[in-house]
Parts: sequence; structure tokens; C-alpha cells
Amino acid sequence: GQNIDQPTEMTATEGAIVQINCTYQTSGFNGLFWYQQHAGEAPTFLSYNVLDGLEEKGRFSSFLSRSKGYSYLLLKELQMKDSASYLCAVRNSGYALNFGKGTSLLVTP
Amino acid sequence: GAVVSQHPSRVICKSGTSVKIECRSLDFQATTMFWYRQFPKQSLMLMATSNEGSKATYEQGVEKDKFLINHASLTLSTLTVTSAHPEDSSFYICSVPGLAGVGPSSYNEQFFGPGTRLTVL
Repeated sequence: GQNIDQPTEMTATEGAIVQINCTYQTSGFNGLFWYQQHAGEAPTFLSYNVLDGLEEKGRFSSFLSRSKGYSYLLLKELQMKDSASYLCAVRNSGYALNFGKGTSLLVTP
Repeated sequence: GAVVSQHPSRVICKSGTSVKIECRSLDFQATTMFWYRQFPKQSLMLMATSNEGSKATYEQGVEKDKFLINHASLTLSTLTVTSAHPEDSSFYICSVPGLAGVGPSSYNEQFFGPGTRLTVL
């Protein structure tokens, strides 16, 4: 089975840095994804990790430790438009994704 | 990346009616597509895997006779919610697996459609 945990809500200030954690316990592992989702819209891809370490892409970075079953998404220089839900998703085998419940991030002025 | 469309984007229907949702892969052929459902303030839950030329594979707890899936061609999958009830009101999203990135950095990704908001009265 799958167990993917992430905080329900977070609040951060515009211009700051925020780290959203995700822990997982899965029967297999074939990659971890982070998606951003605004209310009423489909998720949009942010990052992908399959090997341990940090992947950096502009203001967004994602880290993975497979031995610890742990990942985080780091958002730098927060902007108001970053207020959204952030979904951690694990792919075990095949192509289907198993999603965590999402972290609702509120960026305040 | 792939472009995926869904139709309709919103639908309101009466209880007991059936609703068909289409998912199209616009720029490449897909032998597999996925259907997810998302209730308010919940995450996406995989409902079923749609397979072209064969039966869909349903996740545990999803009624295959209620949620009919037809993968009619390599670019089209349809989800029909039969005898819809208010508890079926949800956001239904399809996705198409594909390859993203370039060369050795390429990886398997999922490209999501824009979703269909179903409201059953």
C-alpha cells in the first residue's frame, strides 16, 4: 500500500523561503513528483526526483532521500501567486501516481 | 510535453442521469490514460487505468459498473458516470503518461487535462 504524508497547511511571507516536507512509505519506488494546483484547476508539474539529492529549477528546488522515504520542496523568493496547493506524488511501478493530500500554502504580504 | 483536453469542463445534471466525460491526447497517441477524482480540499485519487484495446483496470473501491471507461482510440478515452448521485459530484481529471525532458535527462511524466467539474443535483 501507499502512505504519503505532508502538512495540511502552511503560511509564509512574500519574499521568504518555505520548505514543504513529504514522507512516504510505498511498496515500490520509481520516482517522486511535486505538483502545484490552484483551486479548480488541474495540477501543473514542478519537479521530479528519482535519485537522492537536490534538483534545482529556478525558484523551486526538490530534495529526495530514498533511504529515509523523505522529500521536500523548497520555494524561494515567495510571490503572492505561489499561494496554492502543493501535491507530493509517488510512482511505484507503471505510470500511475499516488498523491498525498496536498499542502495548502498561503503567502501573505 | 503532451497537450490533453477534457470535455466538458463543467456539467450539472440531475440525479439518476448519466454523464460522459471525454479525455483527448491532442499531440500524441496514448495506449494508456488515467482517470483521477478529487473531492473538495482532498487530493487526487486514482480511479482507473484506461487501456486502449482492452478493459480498464479499476482501483479498489471504484465500481466498474458505475464508472464506465472506454478507450476508443489511441487519442480518446471516455468516462461515463452512470446513474449519477450527489455524492458523485467531484472534479474528474484525466492524465496521459509521456516522456518529458531531453536525452539522458528525460523521464516519464504525466500530463493532466484541465479537469471536469461534475455537479449532481
